[in-house]
Amino acid sequence: NAGVTQTPKFRILKIGQSMTLQCTQDMNHNYMYWYRQDPGMGLKLIYYSVGAGITDKGEVPNGYNVSRSTTEDFPLRLELAAPSQTSVYFCASSYIAGQLNSPLHFGNGTRLTVT
Amino acid sequence: KQEVTQIPAALSVPEGENLVLNCSFTDSAIYNLQWFRQDPGKGLTSLLLIQSSQREQTSGRLNASLDKSSGRSTLYIAASQPGDSATYLCAVSGNTGKLIFGQGTTLQVKP
Repeated sequence: NAGVTQTPKFRILKIGQSMTLQCTQDMNHNYMYWYRQDPGMGLKLIYYSVGAGITDKGEVPNGYNVSRSTTEDFPLRLELAAPSQTSVYFCASSYIAGQLNSPLHFGNGTRLTVT
Repeated sequence: KQEVTQIPAALSVPEGENLVLNCSFTDSAIYNLQWFRQDPGKGLTSLLLIQSSQREQTSGRLNASLDKSSGRSTLYIAASQPGDSATYLCAVSGNTGKLIFGQGTTLQVKP
């Protein structure tokens, strides 16, 4: 199993550019998440999805968009990149049934710099 | 709004010492709590998952406890080793499925 795969690993953007961070999982997990991690700040939830066709905002959604057309894929779109979006982005997935969760699986992250 | 706090932010211990990392959360209506390990420049690896109906989970030298009523969890590491050096994060999940993370405790185990 590949688990959770994120691409690219690194990216440098200029202010105002856009890009899509790709995330795919092969574990048939229903829940998928996007987090950002700033130094010393822990992880902040950007968006999450409970299944194909359903997405919802997390703690810090401004400046981002997501879609979930399939169970496997959960891309994160940055429109009009700003320096404040410089961060490490993690995609994660889990299987949740009622009150029971499987452990959260993370991708290896995308390090994004906006200059 | 759920808030998760981890104390201390950093910890340095000599090899062989037993240690405890703390995690507290403000809303006790959680479904589960997870502990993760993160090595520098890497993603997070799940260590232990405690469902809300459980009091503790053990894996090797790691033991995690959960006290929902007081909003606390501890991660106990026995006989620490230099390879245990990493950042440890806890996260709680409620009825929405969202996981809220603490800021982590950075552990250094000195040989």
